[in-house]
Amino acid sequence: DTAVSQTPKYLVTQMGNDKSIKCEQNLGHDTMYWYKQDSKKFLKIMFSYNNKELIINETVPNRFSPKSPDKAHLNLHINSLELGDSAVYFCASSHLTGSYGYTFGSGTRLTVV
Amino acid sequence: QKEVEQDPGPLSVPEGAIVSLNCTYSNSAFQYFMWYRQYSRKGPELLMYTYSSGNKEDGRFTAQVDKSSKYISLFIRDSQPSDSATYLCAMSDEDSNYQLIWGAGTKLIIKP
Repeated sequence: DTAVSQTPKYLVTQMGNDKSIKCEQNLGHDTMYWYKQDSKKFLKIMFSYNNKELIINETVPNRFSPKSPDKAHLNLHINSLELGDSAVYFCASSHLTGSYGYTFGSGTRLTVV
Repeated sequence: QKEVEQDPGPLSVPEGAIVSLNCTYSNSAFQYFMWYRQYSRKGPELLMYTYSSGNKEDGRFTAQVDKSSKYISLFIRDSQPSDSATYLCAMSDEDSNYQLIWGAGTKLIIKP
């Protein structure tokens, strides 16, 4: 029974397209996150979101937007895709404070051509 | 200077060796320290969690935190080829709303 699931696992698309990545967690966590992992494996936080607050990393272009229909889902919409957006995107979740660690999904490998 | 420094490796050791992975940090406010393991093409998984200073042991894995030196370590005893992965340290504190600050990850290769 998958705790944090992301779809799709792989996404190949052309520059300029708009795409979405979906994330769902069944752990009862109240906070969800989107991370970007580049080719050097460095994890960079993009967004964190709970019922009360959306925290946006100020370096994230506004072409990226999170959308949360409910506490168990946090989707990532990307408009006007660029070559530099190619990376692995991870969804994660945690209890409110996150002090006990995050649970990650298996990632979405996005390739923009 | 990054808040968390971690040697990216790769670190290659023979099977059965004791492995030592390390991170240094600059923010003395960090209270929560974690080690994640990431296999190729998978998401990071939480391996060890420590609050404040001290040691924590779980099977072949031991996590150590030395807050006075701002240094954390992960030891793997009797290393196995299945331990080959990238190991990422992460830490957080209450003042920054528990936002995890990550090391760059160390790629570990255990040779049979």
